[in-house]
Amino acid sequence: IAGITQAPTSQILAAGRRMTLRCTQDMRHNAMYWYRQDLGLGLRLIHYSNTAGTTGKGEVPDGYSVSRANTDDFPLTLASAVPSQTSVYFCASRTGTDTGELFFGEGSRLTVL
Amino acid sequence: RKEVEQDPGPFNVPEGATVAFNCTYSNSASQSFFWYRQDCRKEPKLLMSVYSSGNEDGRFTAQLNRASQYISLLIRDSKLSDSATYLCVVKGSNSGYALNFGKGTSLLVTP
Repeated sequence: IAGITQAPTSQILAAGRRMTLRCTQDMRHNAMYWYRQDLGLGLRLIHYSNTAGTTGKGEVPDGYSVSRANTDDFPLTLASAVPSQTSVYFCASRTGTDTGELFFGEGSRLTVL
Repeated sequence: RKEVEQDPGPFNVPEGATVAFNCTYSNSASQSFFWYRQDCRKEPKLLMSVYSSGNEDGRFTAQLNRASQYISLLIRDSKLSDSATYLCVVKGSNSGYALNFGKGTSLLVTP
């Protein structure tokens, strides 16, 4: 089924551990994004990538890193998780920066203890 | 000030009612506007784009007022299945032209 796949769906993690959230899309979209969603704060952009090989910082990038080695994959890494990173993380993609509907994955629910 | 502001609600309306949501945006250079719908514990999905001339899709009507920098969504003849959070979305001029989301307006349609 075409779309965006995120993994894991849910994870409980000890503070200080390293964690990578995976995101893969098969729509050949150029632009990809990572958002976090917290109650009362809405969706906030963490990092983005306009095309393979490029990345940029969003509104709340601290504590997170991304890479975009190819068109399909856009992993998000927490180098040393902290409790404030407890959130629901959504990966999204669209055709380009100027056009196209934004498609979301089903989300990854992360709890940092 | 957040780039996109919405009344969080909740809006509780009976079936068949008409309900309207407004959203304001701060960047006058913004060019693209959307409404997304998010069901509880699910991912957001595009409901409709908002065009300068206004647009309608069945029971849903979206309007854009550039002078006042606000966007509206009108839902007529509300259905139980319309219960969800409605997200106002504006394409930013920075951060790779990523979409900026409002915090969402919660709608509950009751029998």
